[in-house]
Amino acid sequence: GQNIDQPTEMTATEGAIVQINCTYQTSGFNGLFWYQQHAGEAPTFLSYNVLDGLEEKGRFSSFLSRSKGYSYLLLKELQMKDSASYLCAVREGGSYIPTFGRGTSLIVHP
Amino acid sequence: GAVVSQHPSWVICKSGTSVKIECRSLDFQATTMFWYRQFPKQSLMLMATSNEGSKATYEQGVEKDKFLINHASLTLSTLTVTSAHPEDSSFYICSARDLGQREYNEQFFGPGTRLTVL
Repeated sequence: GQNIDQPTEMTATEGAIVQINCTYQTSGFNGLFWYQQHAGEAPTFLSYNVLDGLEEKGRFSSFLSRSKGYSYLLLKELQMKDSASYLCAVREGGSYIPTFGRGTSLIVHP
Repeated sequence: GAVVSQHPSWVICKSGTSVKIECRSLDFQATTMFWYRQFPKQSLMLMATSNEGSKATYEQGVEKDKFLINHASLTLSTLTVTSAHPEDSSFYICSARDLGQREYNEQFFGPGTRLTVL
């Protein structure tokens, strides 16, 4: 089984940078996803990490350390529309189905 | 990117009735689709994996006789909540993998169906 931990809620200011952490415990790690979910909508794919290091995609970057069971999602130049829940999901072993964390609700204020 | 649709987007029903939710992959074929349930401020919980042409695989604790899944074609899976009760009120989301996109094997999610049982 997996144990995925994320902060419940974070707040940040428009234009700033925010880092959302995710820690996990799993046997046979096989990839970590970050999804964005606006209230009442489906999650949308943001990033995928399977090797250690930083993956950058525009304003969003995701980092992974497999030895530490740790990942973070970095959001730069925050915009009001970035207010959403951010879900960390970990895939284990031979399964292609990830397990989702509870999500971090990010509130961006002016 | 791959598009997944769900219908209806919301439904209100009386206790004891059955509700059918459709999940379609619009521009790709999906031999496997997934059904999730999400309660407010909670994570996505996988209910079952829907396999085209065969029986669905249910997660532990999910009643297969209550949540009927049919995956009749490569683009359509349906979830029927039978004899719905107020505790079944939730946000139901389906997802699918596009086998043609193998880089990440990520799932593409439908927009979700809000079920309210009175």
